[in-house]
Amino acid sequence: EPEVTQTPSHQVTQMGQEVILRCVPISNHLYFYWYRQILGQKVEFLVSFYNNEISEKSEIFDDQFSVERPDGSNFTLKIRSTKLEDSAMYFCASRAHEEKLFFGSGTQLSVL
Amino acid sequence: AQTVTQSQPEMSVQEAETVTLSCTYDTSESDYYLFWYKQPPSRQMILVIRQEAYKQQNATENRFSVNFQKAAKSFSLKISDSQLGDAAMYFCAYRTSYSGGGADGLTFGKGTHLIIQP
Repeated sequence: EPEVTQTPSHQVTQMGQEVILRCVPISNHLYFYWYRQILGQKVEFLVSFYNNEISEKSEIFDDQFSVERPDGSNFTLKIRSTKLEDSAMYFCASRAHEEKLFFGSGTQLSVL
Repeated sequence: AQTVTQSQPEMSVQEAETVTLSCTYDTSESDYYLFWYKQPPSRQMILVIRQEAYKQQNATENRFSVNFQKAAKSFSLKISDSQLGDAAMYFCAYRTSYSGGGADGLTFGKGTHLIIQP
């Protein structure tokens, strides 16, 4: 079965540093997402992306966050100046039109 | 805004027996999707089953089935013949239908930790 691929699996950074989390969605999918899960809590929607632009974003997705699809395969999440509370598992997901959502295996971000 | 409530933080079941995980949701929409996701210790999110609100028939996937009660806004997951590999966090999730517009992201419940007793 096709997979959503996320790299790295674990990212450690210092507070105030910029991080970029990378995702390769399934090749024929059209809709792309980022979610996060703080340890022990529920999964929270961050942003959705379609047709090269953000289609929806949550209150969590403030000016410190940005997403990009720089080429035909990658989908990235950038956090400009990380805070301690950004420590979480970040999941990328993708879907085709009106199909089920496929999640990647996540990137665990640790901000020190 | 839609909300999803899972009232059971933890459930325990004997191997080979049946367990039901509850989920209720609140929405003013008539067309939407409901999902159950499994998250094992690896923290991978795995889709277990999904239900379209306009379909009256309850979805079934092998040992997993749902009891969808639209009027009551209830969406429970039944796991039959429980296996040790079923041990995980289970999250109920809601999404508006694409034709309905609105928020595109999934709204998750807080999860139920399922323990399988050997």
